[in-house]
Amino acid sequence: NAGVTQTPKFQVLKTGQSMTLQCAQDMNHEYMSWYRQDPGMGLRLIHYSVGAGITDQGEVPNGYNVSRSTTEDFPLRLLSAAPSQTSVYFCASRGGTANQPQHFGDGTRLSIL
Amino acid sequence: GENVEQHPSTLSVQEGDSAVIKCTYSDSASNYFPWYKQELGKGPQLIIDIRSNVGEKKDQRIAVTLNKTAKHFSLHITETQPEDSAVYFCAAIPPGGGNKLTFGTGTQLKVEL
Repeated sequence: NAGVTQTPKFQVLKTGQSMTLQCAQDMNHEYMSWYRQDPGMGLRLIHYSVGAGITDQGEVPNGYNVSRSTTEDFPLRLLSAAPSQTSVYFCASRGGTANQPQHFGDGTRLSIL
Repeated sequence: GENVEQHPSTLSVQEGDSAVIKCTYSDSASNYFPWYKQELGKGPQLIIDIRSNVGEKKDQRIAVTLNKTAKHFSLHITETQPEDSAVYFCAAIPPGGGNKLTFGTGTQLKVEL
């Protein structure tokens, strides 16, 4: 099992550009989430999904879109990148029973100039 | 919503000493408390967790204690080793909020030789 795979690992964008951060998991997990990690602020939830076709907003959803067309994939889209979105982004997945641990990918480091 | 505070933000110990990291949470209904270790350039990895019906849990050199009345929980690492050096995050999850981890702001642990 590869676990949770994120691509790309690094990306530099210009303000106003769009891009999609990819996330895939091979554990047949129902739940998937996107977090951003900023210095001194821990990890904050952006969007999450409880299954294919179902998504919901987390703590900091503005500026990001998600979709969940398959169980395996959960891409995060930045429609018009802003410098405030410079961060490290983590995707996570977990099984469907209560209080299952989240499995994280190794992150995408995104810089917006 | 849930708010998790974590202290200290940095902790330096000598190899072989013990390390303690403390977290407090605000939502008395939260019932699951995982701890994650994050090494440089990697995603967070679960190291231990505790549920609200348990006061203490131990796994080799790592233990977690929970005081529901005071709404705080702590991570204890004994006989620290250089490979314990990393950033540690606590988190809390309310009932039914399995995707909605609220993280503490992290503790940078450095184990010195």
